[in-house]
Amino acid sequence: DSGVTQTPKHLITATGQRVTLRCSPRSGDLSVYWYQQSLDQGLQFLIQYYNGEERAKGNILERFSAQQFPDLHSELNLSSLELGDSALYFCASSVRGTGPDTQYFGPGTRLTVL
Amino acid sequence: EDKVVQSPLSLVVHEGDTVTLNCSYEVTNFRSLLWYKQEKKAPTFLFMLTSSGIEKKSGRLSSILDKKELFSILNITATQTGDSAVYLCAVLFSGNTGKLIFGQGTTLQVKP
Repeated sequence: DSGVTQTPKHLITATGQRVTLRCSPRSGDLSVYWYQQSLDQGLQFLIQYYNGEERAKGNILERFSAQQFPDLHSELNLSSLELGDSALYFCASSVRGTGPDTQYFGPGTRLTVL
Repeated sequence: EDKVVQSPLSLVVHEGDTVTLNCSYEVTNFRSLLWYKQEKKAPTFLFMLTSSGIEKKSGRLSSILDKKELFSILNITATQTGDSAVYLCAVLFSGNTGKLIFGQGTTLQVKP
């Protein structure tokens, strides 16, 4: 158990819908990261937040957005869902968010879009 | 374009064998290379390598980085069935970010 929690574990929804994934970082970690893992694309970096501010962006679609709240938990919002958005979404956290800083991954949320 | 390439993509061995997993990278602003093990769900951290030529070791696992030739290897000796997993290599960029670029992973199956 890494100490990073994610809810829900599974989510099944329809195309065109909107969902919110939630992540609570390890105690003491200020940085949160979101990754998407699909069979064809592997593990892809989406976005990073540090202490409430966006720090780095990857190949995140415009239909996706995220934020980190004052209590440091983070939410990833996915809208206008498409079949191709079906994937495992991981949240990770680290202390500093930069430098040789180990990221610890949560158990993931499996999203299925029907 | 930044990329991380792992080989082989899959590997089947028997218990007691030694395996070597490879990771090569072409990235701008390299800081460190990380290895993760992914079983059913979340990737779990194994090693972070920042300096060339210094071996990191944890039990039967060891890893080394070559920054001149831009690659790293992960060795597992005396493999056990519990080593069966996907092994992921990732590169951490320098600068004010923790962004990781992952390779596609090596799926290792250890047969009894």
